Amino acid sequence: QVQLQESGPGLVKPSQTLSLNCTVSGGSIGSGDYHWSWIRQPAGKGLEWIGHIQTSGSTNYNPSLKSRVTISIDTSKNQFSLKLSSVTATDTAVYYCASNVAGPGTAHFDPWGRGTLVTVSS
Amino acid sequence: EIALNQSPDFQSVTPKEKVTITCRASQSIGTSLHWYQQKPDQSPKLLIKYASQSISGVPSRFSGSGSGTDFTLTINGLEAEDAATYYCHQSNTLPRTFGQGTKLEIK
Repeated sequence: QVQLQESGPGLVKPSQTLSLNCTVSGGSIGSGDYHWSWIRQPAGKGLEWIGHIQTSGSTNYNPSLKSRVTISIDTSKNQFSLKLSSVTATDTAVYYCASNVAGPGTAHFDPWGRGTLVTVSS
Repeated sequence: EIALNQSPDFQSVTPKEKVTITCRASQSIGTSLHWYQQKPDQSPKLLIKYASQSISGVPSRFSGSGSGTDFTLTINGLEAEDAATYYCHQSNTLPRTFGQGTKLEIK
């Protein structure tokens, strides 16, 4: 059973870059064809898909964030990562990593990480 | 971008009641609609995939239906542990989108 765990700084200054990692355990990030996603949730609000990377390295981003987002994958560390540049207070949220099998009939997110709170403040 | 609108936003219900939550998509998405349950300070948990397909380990009182633009999550015989916020999610097109959530309070 694959498990995901987010890690990274809990506090980022405005205009700086938010950087998070998601470590995959219980399986190899490089085996099979998966979509590895980042999703965020501001306090008391709903869920927003940020983007995903396939095992091949191909990426798709939410157009609302595309100019500021980079998702990458490191198979040697069994991790994928999120970078969000030029952050403001509106980027304060719990950030989740999640995955799904790439292919028909498998686009639901399962599993999810436990989430990590990132606060943007000086 | 496909918008998903859930109703109601909030519902206060008593145990054993039947609960229905609806999710309407801004355009047809076939059956590419999934439901999640999120309890406070927890990550979302998959309840139903592809509109009506059950998930191993999820109680049978949870069921889903619908296709096209209109979808329903039904909880038959609500239990106290079902207090949570419920989200629908579409995987028909990119970007992936979620409904705004429906919060269930148990009286």
